[in-house]
Amino acid sequence: RKEVEQDPGPFNVPEGATVAFNCTYSNSASQSFFWYRQDCRKEPKLLMSVYSSGNEDGRFTAQLNRASQYISLLIRDSKLSDSATYLCVVRNSSYKLIFGSGTRLLVRP
Amino acid sequence: DADVTQTPRNRITKTGKRIMLECSQTKGHDRMYWYRQDPGLGLRLIYYSFDVKDINKGEISDGYSVSRQAQAKFSLSLESAIPNQTALYFCATAGTDTQYFGPGTRLTVL
Repeated sequence: RKEVEQDPGPFNVPEGATVAFNCTYSNSASQSFFWYRQDCRKEPKLLMSVYSSGNEDGRFTAQLNRASQYISLLIRDSKLSDSATYLCVVRNSSYKLIFGSGTRLLVRP
Repeated sequence: DADVTQTPRNRITKTGKRIMLECSQTKGHDRMYWYRQDPGLGLRLIYYSFDVKDINKGEISDGYSVSRQAQAKFSLSLESAIPNQTALYFCATAGTDTQYFGPGTRLTVL
């Protein structure tokens, strides 16, 4: 079983739609959680950290459920520029990041 | 100028050749990492270093070696390249939790 699992997609949505991605992780000792964004053939970049209380950054909302070992990312009012692969990432106690294989989002006009 | 740079950006080589990929950073971070990315597998950690005297193997270190020449430089070597090492390689640095990635090196081993 992979340590971080995501639905690979692709999620194909129209502009303006709301879309949600989920991610599960297997190590209950994981300490920090993140969503990274990766454009095709580019490097991953931090989108947002995920806190136990949930956090919001503009159109993006991230939530963490430690009991179920589950992380989510909600994107409201999707833009064409949101098309990318979204990587769910967890950090263990030794400052190593474990990456999910990513969920691909396609936003169409 | 980019904070994390990688050279070369693209490389085609033949089986059995020795290859070095270089990474430099201007962020002043102590922690540096090398990953490879393959379609459908996500990013996998090859080696990481928490300072110049600290080198650690990641989950897929076989066939690779590294050198931390200075705080700002971390090189990855393939002593004898093989075709299944064809991949996109990323270097990353971190000061706290956030990792900052270089632009990647696309390596093809024929």
